[in-house]
Amino acid sequence: NAGVMQNPRHLVRRRGQEARLRCSPMKGHSHVYWYRQLPEEGLKFMVYLQKENIIDESGMPKERFSAEFPKEGPSILRIQQVVRGDSAAYFCASSSGPKGEKLFFGSGTQLSVL
Amino acid sequence: AQSVSQHNHHVILSEAASLELGCNYSYGGTVNLFWYVQYPGQHLQLLLKYFSGDPLVKGIKGFEAEFIKSKFSFNLRKPSVQWSDTAEYFCAVGPDRSNDYKLSFGAGTTVTVRA
Repeated sequence: NAGVMQNPRHLVRRRGQEARLRCSPMKGHSHVYWYRQLPEEGLKFMVYLQKENIIDESGMPKERFSAEFPKEGPSILRIQQVVRGDSAAYFCASSSGPKGEKLFFGSGTQLSVL
Repeated sequence: AQSVSQHNHHVILSEAASLELGCNYSYGGTVNLFWYVQYPGQHLQLLLKYFSGDPLVKGIKGFEAEFIKSKFSFNLRKPSVQWSDTAEYFCAVGPDRSNDYKLSFGAGTTVTVRA
């Protein structure tokens, strides 16, 4: 499967724990985007990364959230000290360039905070 | 900020029925418009898109959408649905071509097609 791979599919954390969500882009793609879908809402842009660089993090909460896309390995979305309001579906997309028409999405990670 | 409104949260219909899903957006400038679909257990995938030109856009799997600028709408249609069209459908809007990776999505419409 050469698509965008996200894991885990489901992640359960207790309040105060850390959540790490992983995204492997499509082969040949060097642009990664993270979106979050809160219950009953649409997906909302969080962050756009290229290899080793954060290009646009205007949609990221200022605290507890961070993202990286290292030279080797998947992109990681990290949420520290999770709270119940972080419960959501987190989608990753990748592209060969910063164009919406070229986005390919993964299946998402459903984070549940108890 | 843009907002995208999808009229129906859940639609249930029988095979061979016609489907129309409403989508309205708030942005008044030049927009790029998308419909995405997520089949159960699968990734989001692009059904169709509109950037310019003919406002009636044909997509994959027999879907089409019509951009009506005066109504700020981009409704999705399919004349005759199949059981395999059961999925969640998302309308999305991109602000402009320079950074349209920042899509704004509607809340989604779950479509259930009964065999």
